[in-house]
Amino acid sequence: EVQLVESGGGLVQPGRSLRLSCIGSGFTFGDHPMSWFRQAPGKGLEWVGFIRSKTYGGTTEYAASVKGRFTISRDDSKSIAYLQMNSLKTEDTAVYYCSSALVLITLGGLIAPYRDSWGQGTLVTVSS
Amino acid sequence: DIQMTQSPSSLSASVGDRVTISCQASEDINSYLNWYQQKPGKAPKLLIYDASNLETGVPSRLSGSGSGTDFTFTITSLQPEDFATYYCQQYVNLPLTFGGGTKVETK
Repeated sequence: EVQLVESGGGLVQPGRSLRLSCIGSGFTFGDHPMSWFRQAPGKGLEWVGFIRSKTYGGTTEYAASVKGRFTISRDDSKSIAYLQMNSLKTEDTAVYYCSSALVLITLGGLIAPYRDSWGQGTLVTVSS
Repeated sequence: DIQMTQSPSSLSASVGDRVTISCQASEDINSYLNWYQQKPGKAPKLLIYDASNLETGVPSRLSGSGSGTDFTFTITSLQPEDFATYYCQQYVNLPLTFGGGTKVETK
């Protein structure tokens, strides 16, 4: 059974940095893309970004709202995915979820996560 | 970006009712559509992928249909455990985008 556990959330001041971790078990971590999503309090779901497996180059994709500030990486030897968040803003306040997935190559050639399983989430509060 | 529009944003229903939720994409997404269920304080759970395929373990009273721009999620006989918020999501193009959600509440 796929299990994902996020950690690293907390209260942080605007402009500061925070790194979230997501440790996976129950599957061959290195074979799967890992994604991050977030949900602001009382709001809907928002995709943050994902990292492909090494098989597909380990490349990353990001939402426009976080591009240049957030970085996703992975350590397959430890089965951990990371979300490094820099220059945090109050609007980044949310529960952050990681997910693991299968790989889909769409008709348009996009290599994307497919049929994902999510962790329980970790709360990040950006406030002075 | 592809906009996903869900309707209604909320609905009230009773156990045993048939419930239908609509999701419209701003452009053709083929069948690259997920449906998720989220309960309060919990992570979203994937129910349906490729617009109509049930994820393993999902009860058959749940179903999805549609392709192109118009999609439907249906619960044929609402059960107590189905009261939750449901989201559609497209994955044909980046950024991955979600509908605004539909909260299914007890009447």
